[in-house]
This record gives sequence, structure tokens and C-alpha cells, in this order.
Amino acid sequence: DAGITQSPRHKVTETGTPVTLRCHQTENHRYMYWYRQDPGHGLRLIHYSYGVKDTDKGEVSDGYSVSRSKTEDFLLTLESATSSQTSVYFCAISERREGYTFGSGTRLTVV
Amino acid sequence: QQPVQSPQAVILREGEDAVINCSSSKALYSVHWYRQKHGEAPVFLMILLKGGEQKGHEKISASFNEKKQQSSLYLTASQLSYSGTYFCGTERDDYKLSFGAGTTVTVRA
Repeated sequence: DAGITQSPRHKVTETGTPVTLRCHQTENHRYMYWYRQDPGHGLRLIHYSYGVKDTDKGEVSDGYSVSRSKTEDFLLTLESATSSQTSVYFCAISERREGYTFGSGTRLTVV
Repeated sequence: QQPVQSPQAVILREGEDAVINCSSSKALYSVHWYRQKHGEAPVFLMILLKGGEQKGHEKISASFNEKKQQSSLYLTASQLSYSGTYFCGTERDDYKLSFGAGTTVTVRA
């Protein structure tokens, strides 16, 4: 009943490997976002989408790409994972001028 | 572009009040407030829109000074359940929020 799910919940990967995180929603919301959360930095926007195939960069987009081929799915890809990308990643959904609903997060460790 | 939150942390006893502030150097369209408990996702509390409209949690109050680009969240008669980290998110005239670094609130019995 959450309306938004992220997968996987936890992942350990090696430096240099590609990684894809998935965000799936059942709310039919137009806007979807990927944030990363690190101690002392709060939540920082990586990429966002304002419709199918419509995406744009956030403030920390280097090393990340996204795709949204369907309303319900928003994928975040780390093209070649680095240790600096070890973080907790949150997906969020919203409608215009409404509060965000966040997924449960993905804890990614790059070793 | 991240908004500035203050204080960084506050410790309260049950029943006490606190104010968390959020300020931006840019003109804002809206301000959001979220609470996050340890190990969990942030949860939406309130949105304050330019023009005065507010939507959100019935027991949470907040203000938005559009001229100063400042917002304040008021925790009144605090309860143990109010403990967590509070984030403000600011929106300019686009589709995305920038979040502050957070304010950690600890409420003690």
C-alpha cells in the first residue's frame, strides 16, 4: 500500500561496475526524483523527471544517468561506481505543488 | 542553493516548545517541511505556498515570510514522537526541491 517502492533495499558493489536502482510507483504521479543522503548534507537532488522520457539534472548529477520509459518506473544508473557514491538513495514522487512521498531508500556501498 | 536551517540541533523536554528556521537567498515559490526518523524515509509534514496557502499535518504549524524568503516550523507542546530530524525543502519557480542540512530534535521525558 506504500505507493512507491525502491529496489534493491541494500547493495554492495565493486568500484568500476555499473549499478541500476529502480523506483516504482502506483500513484500515477507525474514527477519523480532521485536524491542521495549523506551525513551533514541532507538530501541532494541527483536527477528528476517531469514526465515519460522527460528528465533533467539536479545538483549532483555527475556520474549518474536516469531513464523513465513508463510513468511508473524511474531508473537511476551509476555508470561506473566509485566509493564517493556510497550513500543512501531515495526516490520520491509528487504532483505539482504537493508534498513529496519518499520510498524506503536503497543503501548502496561501493567497495 | 541549499537553504540554511537553524539550529542544527535542539533538545527538549516533553511539553516544551521549539522553533526551527529555514532561509533562502533566492525567491521562493514554496517551502516544504519533512521529518525523518533514524533509518526511515522522510515524511511530509507541510507545504507553504506563495500567496498564503498551506497544506499538511493538522498538528504542525509553520509560517512563510515571502518577502524575506524565510520559513519557521513551530513544535508546540512537544511529545516524544516529535523526535527526529526535520528538513525544510525550498522550491523556486521549477519542479524541484532543495533541502537544508536538517535540524535534529530530541525530546526527552
